[in-house]
Amino acid sequence: SQQGEEDPQALSIQEGENATMNCSYKTSINNLQWYRQNSGRGLVHLILIRSNEREKHSGRLRVTLDTSKKSSSLLITASRAADTASYFCATPLSGGAQKLVFGQGTRLTINP
Amino acid sequence: EADIYQTPRYLVIGTGKKITLECSQTMGHDKMYWYQQDPGMELHLIHYSYGVNSTEKGDLSSESTVSRIRTEHFPLTLESARPSHTSQYLCASSEFTGNYEQYFGPGTRLTVT
Repeated sequence: SQQGEEDPQALSIQEGENATMNCSYKTSINNLQWYRQNSGRGLVHLILIRSNEREKHSGRLRVTLDTSKKSSSLLITASRAADTASYFCATPLSGGAQKLVFGQGTRLTINP
Repeated sequence: EADIYQTPRYLVIGTGKKITLECSQTMGHDKMYWYQQDPGMELHLIHYSYGVNSTEKGDLSSESTVSRIRTEHFPLTLESARPSHTSQYLCASSEFTGNYEQYFGPGTRLTVT
């Protein structure tokens, strides 16, 4: 079963609007990470939020974490065409394997 | 931009051929990973390594094999390619300690005809 599930699966908005993506997970975590993947490319790490943090900002990105609901959201403000990509949340598996489990991703399209 | 490289970027090959996908990183990371990803879908971990001479199978069963003879190099081999192996293969690495943040290569798009 998946550790992380994302919602919506696809999102299409106009340039300049804000985009919000959500991620839910199942087990306790010590951090949650968001990655971006441009079409046909590898993933790029965007931001990490620790379990004792509720909100984190990085440029136009804002991430929130609610450990009681086992959910996180990624907000991209003032979207640009270059933000068009798939966005994945990832959580570490417990134990010593140091593996990440990725959600299904949200495909974001920014229309000019 | 992460210092992790994959070759080839694209490969079209016939059924039954042996192929090796190369992955190398210059960050000195101990941990390396191989993921398989179909277009628009989630990533599935197929192999990982804690360090030299260490390899483990991931969560998705794969007919591929890996080796880790050098820290910087983690090649993936398919002895006999089949159309069902058509997919994108992503290599990643991370430091042994820390937050498990992973650095990804650009991927190899494999098509088996």
